[in-house]
Amino acid sequence: KQEVTQIPAALSVPEGENLVLNCSFTDSAIYNLQWFRQDPGKGLTSLLLIQSSQREQTSGRLNASLDKSSGRSTLYIAASQPGDSATYLCAVYNTDKLIFGTGTRLQVFP
Amino acid sequence: DAGITQSPRHKVTETGTPVTLRCHQTENHRYMYWYRQDPGHGLRLIHYSYGVKDTDKGEVSDGYSVSRSKTEDFLLTLESATSSQTSVYFCAISAPSMATNEQFFGPGTRLTVL
Repeated sequence: KQEVTQIPAALSVPEGENLVLNCSFTDSAIYNLQWFRQDPGKGLTSLLLIQSSQREQTSGRLNASLDKSSGRSTLYIAASQPGDSATYLCAVYNTDKLIFGTGTRLQVFP
Repeated sequence: DAGITQSPRHKVTETGTPVTLRCHQTENHRYMYWYRQDPGHGLRLIHYSYGVKDTDKGEVSDGYSVSRSKTEDFLLTLESATSSQTSVYFCAISAPSMATNEQFFGPGTRLTVL
């Protein structure tokens, strides 16, 4: 059974720092991996999707990498801002379903 | 934003009553999903649909049923609500490509069962 783990569960950093959020999964037979952002009381916003044949994807200050063989993905956020404060979720597409991690709650303070 | 709406957005009901949540999309996507989100468990798949009248169970389907009579609408029904079904429910949609299957989520429905 696929399991997805995100470490750390919570992170608090000052504005301007570069940071890395980690996601690991137990079954490397995935089709893709998707990173989401969730603001309190809101739905999920898709940030990046990495197909299994890709190594990384970039969108603005965000860069996500994927290493299927080791069962890991990282989300790199450059020059963090208070507006980046949210919960970040990763999910792997395994057979025909998305399996989610429990998220990293990020707070960026001025 | 993907054209996904959920109704109602908030609902309080009593144990034993039936509840139906609606997901409506304007994207004409083939796949639709229902998830629940609970502290400590993350998002878990309840049911999904891969076409009109085509549905399948997810990880936590007990106590829930679904129906899809039109491409744009996916209904989730709790036949007899229980307190353990208090949760936030999210609908999602995706395009038919297996290679990407990027999912887009609705705003959620907060359900409280007293």
